[in-house]
Amino acid sequence: GEDVEQSLFLSVREGDSSVINCTYTDSSSTYLYWYKQEPGAGLQLLTYIFSNMDMKQDQRLTVLLNKKDKHLSLRIADTQTGDSAIYFCAEMFSGGYNKLIFGAGTRLAVHP
Amino acid sequence: KAGVTQTPRYLIKTRGQQVTLSCSPISGHRSVSWYQQTPGQGLQFLFEYFSETQRNKGNFPGRFSGRQFSNSRSEMNVSTLELGDSALYLCASSPRTGAVTTEAFFGQGTRLTVV
Repeated sequence: GEDVEQSLFLSVREGDSSVINCTYTDSSSTYLYWYKQEPGAGLQLLTYIFSNMDMKQDQRLTVLLNKKDKHLSLRIADTQTGDSAIYFCAEMFSGGYNKLIFGAGTRLAVHP
Repeated sequence: KAGVTQTPRYLIKTRGQQVTLSCSPISGHRSVSWYQQTPGQGLQFLFEYFSETQRNKGNFPGRFSGRQFSNSRSEMNVSTLELGDSALYLCASSPRTGAVTTEAFFGQGTRLTVV
């Protein structure tokens, strides 16, 4: 099936780490993605991970993949107010043709 | 390198009318996908084009159609607009060197309001 689930809301204090979680159903997905959307804007590709990897780090971002549990997480270190946005997890549908299946998005609120 | 360009950014149409949205992908990218974003349904795949051919289509009525030109620019058309078609329409551009792409880059979207 095609389903990606995320918690809807996360609130963190500035300077703390944020962890956004996601579960997906298509065990054949080759790539998994994290996108960021700010108000009134499109989707910004933050990072992606290939399904044969466990972890990927890119500056303040760390992606962890547990393929057995079909669980993906995005950790943002030293969270800043500019990180406040909606974060979408997405899987590349294994049937190909560049079809991304998105979660509902997690709204991250960063407060002082 | 210019990003994905979608025009227009905002559009207001009346029920029953039709609308055409445009997407220019990143230079060199041959795959263009379209998505609809609404508060109720979230982000849903509409269709994908590669080398002027529609390769996949989401679960949308036939009122939603698209095409891709030889320069990879794509248009999507919605006929007989309904209030429920009000949404942010996003276009994604991918290099697609093989069967599956690694990255999809999105434009800023076209905000369509149907009144």
